[in-house]
Amino acid sequence: DSGVTQTPKHLITATGQRVTLRCSPRSGDLSVYWYQQSLDQGLQFLIQYYNGEERAKGNILERFSAQQFPDLHSELNLSSLELGDSALYFCASSRDRGQPQHFGDGTRLSIL
Amino acid sequence: AQTVTQSQPEMSVQEAETVTLSCTYDTSESNYYLFWYKQPPSRQMILVIRQEAYKQQNATENRFSVNFQKAAKSFSLKISDSQLGDTAMYFCAFMTGGSEKLVFGKGTKLTVNP
Repeated sequence: DSGVTQTPKHLITATGQRVTLRCSPRSGDLSVYWYQQSLDQGLQFLIQYYNGEERAKGNILERFSAQQFPDLHSELNLSSLELGDSALYFCASSRDRGQPQHFGDGTRLSIL
Repeated sequence: AQTVTQSQPEMSVQEAETVTLSCTYDTSESNYYLFWYKQPPSRQMILVIRQEAYKQQNATENRFSVNFQKAAKSFSLKISDSQLGDTAMYFCAFMTGGSEKLVFGKGTKLTVNP
């Protein structure tokens, strides 16, 4: 058990819809990262938050947004969903720069 | 841009034998970190081992060890006494000291045969 909790485990929805993925980091970790894993793109970094503030942005679409709340949990919002957004979305957390990132179990998003 | 290359899409090994997974990376940074992650069929991403670029000593974690060749930009993972539970995708990942995002290779699918 990594200590990182992601909900839900599975999400099935239709094109054009909006979903919210939730992540609770390990106790004491201030940084939260979001990654997307798809067959064609592999594992891609989306965005990082540190103690409530956005710290780094990767290949995140404008239709996607995230935030980190005062209790340090984070949410990834995906809107106007397309078939190509079907993927496994991971949240990870870490204690400090250069320290290992510990991953949650992921949310499997399927767009029908 | 940093890139990570895993040249072996699939490998197999007999139980109890040793296997080495290859990884090369490209960067102009001098301060960085390297990682191996394991993703079993359950799809969890599990940290296997971590190496800091400024440390010359190769990292080890029980049956897992790395061969870090900084000049060659190579970071291979050796698994000794392979076990059935080692069957998984293995991802090599890179992080610079100034950026906290992980850059992953495409992975090597390892199968341990009984």
